[in-house]
Amino acid sequence: NAGVTQTPKFQVLKTGQSMTLQCAQDMNHNSMYWYRQDPGMGLRLIYYSASEGTTDKGEVPNGYNVSRLNKREFSLRLESAAPSQTSVYFCASSSDRAYGYTFGSGTRLTVV
Amino acid sequence: ILNVEQSPQSLHVQEGDSTNFTCSFPSSNFYALHWYRWETAKSPEALFVMTLNGDEKKKGRISATLNTKEGYSYLYIKGSQPEDSATYLCASNSGYSTLTFGKGTMLLVSP
Repeated sequence: NAGVTQTPKFQVLKTGQSMTLQCAQDMNHNSMYWYRQDPGMGLRLIYYSASEGTTDKGEVPNGYNVSRLNKREFSLRLESAAPSQTSVYFCASSSDRAYGYTFGSGTRLTVV
Repeated sequence: ILNVEQSPQSLHVQEGDSTNFTCSFPSSNFYALHWYRWETAKSPEALFVMTLNGDEKKKGRISATLNTKEGYSYLYIKGSQPEDSATYLCASNSGYSTLTFGKGTMLLVSP
């Protein structure tokens, strides 16, 4: 099915470990986004990529890095995980600012 | 970062009731207003995107209106059904900014 695919769906990390969350879309969208969702906080933007080859910080970028590998793929890396990064992470994509976002199914990350 | 606010925070209605939620956003330099439906354990799904003052959109029993001059949007659900139970998110952007999401309105519809 066409859409946004995120992997993994679940992950438990120990403090200090690193990992990369993968995201791929097959809708030929230009823009891709990484959000985190925490109770009572809503969706907050971590990083985004307006087009292939560009990335920009969002509201909460500290502790994260991203790579727009090509038009389809946008990965999020945690270099040294902290308990404060326990959250549900969503990748999203859109063709244009005037169109709705398509979200992936989310990654539930726990850092212990 | 825009300030997008939604009310109420949660709502519990009976099957067949009609209901509405409010989203307020900064009206200056407005670009677009989005509504999403987010069911538990799933990902948000786009309902509507509106850009012009006075826009009205409808999908089945759900409709939305937009007032960009005063900075608010209403989402209406006519004759709520249990399957309408979800969190409804609104989001707005201005100029060349990315979307800022509100915290959502959680709707529970009891049979």
